[in-house]
Amino acid sequence: EPEVTQTPSHQVTQMGQEVILRCVPISNHLYFYWYRQILGQKVEFLVSFYNNEISEKSEIFDDQFSVERPDGSNFTLKIRSTKLEDSAMYFCASSEYTPPGALFGSGTQLSVL
Amino acid sequence: AQKITQTQPGMFVQEKEAVTLDCTYDTSDQSYGLFWYKQPSSGEMIFLIYQGSYDEQNATEGRYSLNFQKARKSANLVISASQLGDSAMYFCAMRESLRGGGGSNYKLTFGKGTLLTVNP
Repeated sequence: EPEVTQTPSHQVTQMGQEVILRCVPISNHLYFYWYRQILGQKVEFLVSFYNNEISEKSEIFDDQFSVERPDGSNFTLKIRSTKLEDSAMYFCASSEYTPPGALFGSGTQLSVL
Repeated sequence: AQKITQTQPGMFVQEKEAVTLDCTYDTSDQSYGLFWYKQPSSGEMIFLIYQGSYDEQNATEGRYSLNFQKARKSANLVISASQLGDSAMYFCAMRESLRGGGGSNYKLTFGKGTLLTVNP
């Protein structure tokens, strides 16, 4: 069964450093998303990416965040200068034309020290 | 704005029994969709079941069924014949359409989740 793949599974970084979280969505999917979950809290939408551009972003997704789909298969989330409060589980998801729901990757646990 | 409410922070059930996890929602949209996801301790998000607002019948997927009561704005998850492997956090979520994609591009608004523990 096809699945969304995320790497790395864990990332530890120093405050102020740049990190890139990587995702390989399901190959025939058209819509790509990043969500995050701070420990013990609910999952929050960050950004939606469709047709090679951002279609929607939340207030969390400020200028420190960016997304790219550089080669038609990978989908990346970059945080330019990490803050302590960026520590969270980051989920990539992708979906096709119709429900059921978006399929999520297994997540990247980001720890900012 | 959409809102999902899960009022049960934790639930306990005996193995082989059925359990209902509550979810209520609030939206002004006429067309919407409701989802349930399972998050085991390993952290991944596993899609369980989906109900569209215009679906006349309640969704079912194996041991999972969704008790959809539109007038009450509730979408409770029923797990029949609970198994030890069902112990996990369960999230209810609602779809909100985004621009582009003809309604297939959407974001999910999640509830706070219910931690289900299945006792042997």
